[in-house]
Amino acid sequence: QSVLTQPPSVSAAPGQMVTISCSGSSSNIGNKYVSWYQHLPGTAPKLLIYENNKRPSGIPDRFSGSKSGTSATLDITELQTGDEADYYCGTCDTSLSVLVFGGGTKLTVL
Amino acid sequence: EVHLLESGGGLVQPGGSLRLSCAASGFTFSSYSMTWVRQAPGKGLEWVSAISASGSDTYYADSVKGRFTISRDNSKNTVYLRMNSLRAEDTAVYFCAKLTGVHPMYYYHMDVWGKGMTVTVSS
Repeated sequence: QSVLTQPPSVSAAPGQMVTISCSGSSSNIGNKYVSWYQHLPGTAPKLLIYENNKRPSGIPDRFSGSKSGTSATLDITELQTGDEADYYCGTCDTSLSVLVFGGGTKLTVL
Repeated sequence: EVHLLESGGGLVQPGGSLRLSCAASGFTFSSYSMTWVRQAPGKGLEWVSAISASGSDTYYADSVKGRFTISRDNSKNTVYLRMNSLRAEDTAVYFCAKLTGVHPMYYYHMDVWGKGMTVTVSS
């Protein structure tokens, strides 16, 4: 059972938009920054979003993040088949002194 | 170019030990905290352990506390994960990753990842 809760799967058609949610608590998302990672099986995970809504160099602006209270969201617009991957939110939990991930969301681009 | 390369994985019997290494290049290793993350077959990412830039502070997931030890040698630009009393449930691909500041509890997003290395615990 992950400290952060994500939907197991989401799907949408190419060109459409999808939102992936990440729910936590006051000891993690509530007072810490959220990161988002993209992971294709057999490869290294990739940082997509850090500090809730910032994109590293090279990440297209189709990927955006936001946070409100104890929840965060990742929006992906103009979906491409190459976006099919597992997506994870992550942060720090201050009460447990650990880093935490959500359970992951599998994105299918139909 | 920033690069992380894991080594030391393989097959080990239950109750056995293994030491993973992660060699870093392309950045000032001693200025950044480092972390290990794993993915068991069919499961999601699980954070395992983290160490501050100086090595003075270490953190562990409950699932490995008391069995795994993280350490680093800043003169060799390498972070290690010593794994003792291994269990079948430790079977996973282990990734090392760079954090973005000196302390894992303050700078906790992972901006560079290694390709991962398989650890299999089986008799």
